[in-house]
Amino acid sequence: GENVEQHPSTLSVQEGDSAVIKCTYSDSASNYFPWYKQELGKRPQLIIDIRSNVGEKKDQRIAVTLNKTAKHFSLHITETQPEDSAVYFCAPYAAGNKLTFGGGTRVLVKP
Amino acid sequence: EADIYQTPRYLVIGTGKKITLECSQTMGHDKMYWYQQDPGMELHLIHYSYGVNSTEKGDLSSESTVSRIRTEHFPLTLESARPSHTSQYLCASRPSGSYEQYFGPGTRLTVT
Repeated sequence: GENVEQHPSTLSVQEGDSAVIKCTYSDSASNYFPWYKQELGKRPQLIIDIRSNVGEKKDQRIAVTLNKTAKHFSLHITETQPEDSAVYFCAPYAAGNKLTFGGGTRVLVKP
Repeated sequence: EADIYQTPRYLVIGTGKKITLECSQTMGHDKMYWYQQDPGMELHLIHYSYGVNSTEKGDLSSESTVSRIRTEHFPLTLESARPSHTSQYLCASRPSGSYEQYFGPGTRLTVT
């Protein structure tokens, strides 16, 4: 099965700074790479995703980069704001109709 | 409104009781999933379904069962609840042709 690791497990940044979370996976057949955000007491929601034929994707202040050779992808948040405080999960998809979630990264944006 | 619903939202129950957690979605999605998650921690896949009459066990060993008799309904049953089952249970669904999963609000279960 897929082994997924996220680093760091916690991240504290000053408002306005950037945050980067890295996700490493093991299955070279993985072809879809999403990031989910879960605010306190809320359900996880997809915030950005990337397919294996693309190296980078941006959506306003967030971006995802993929390195298929090294089997890792990263979430980048620029100009962080207090509402970015949440737990972020990577969840690469390989075969079998299921995502494998990473352990999560707790991001705290300090005003 | 098209959404995914879970009931009950909170449940406190004694050891040994049988319980069923309900999940329904009105989005017409084929694939449905059950996850167990301690607050803010990793999501562990318990069961999933490709469609009606299809169910598979996930990665987390669990003394639970599921059924998929109707597309929109995917209940999870614990035959005999134990304190180790205390957790949050999240139901999710996605349509064929898309990888994005949509999550329900969760059921927070406490077994005393």
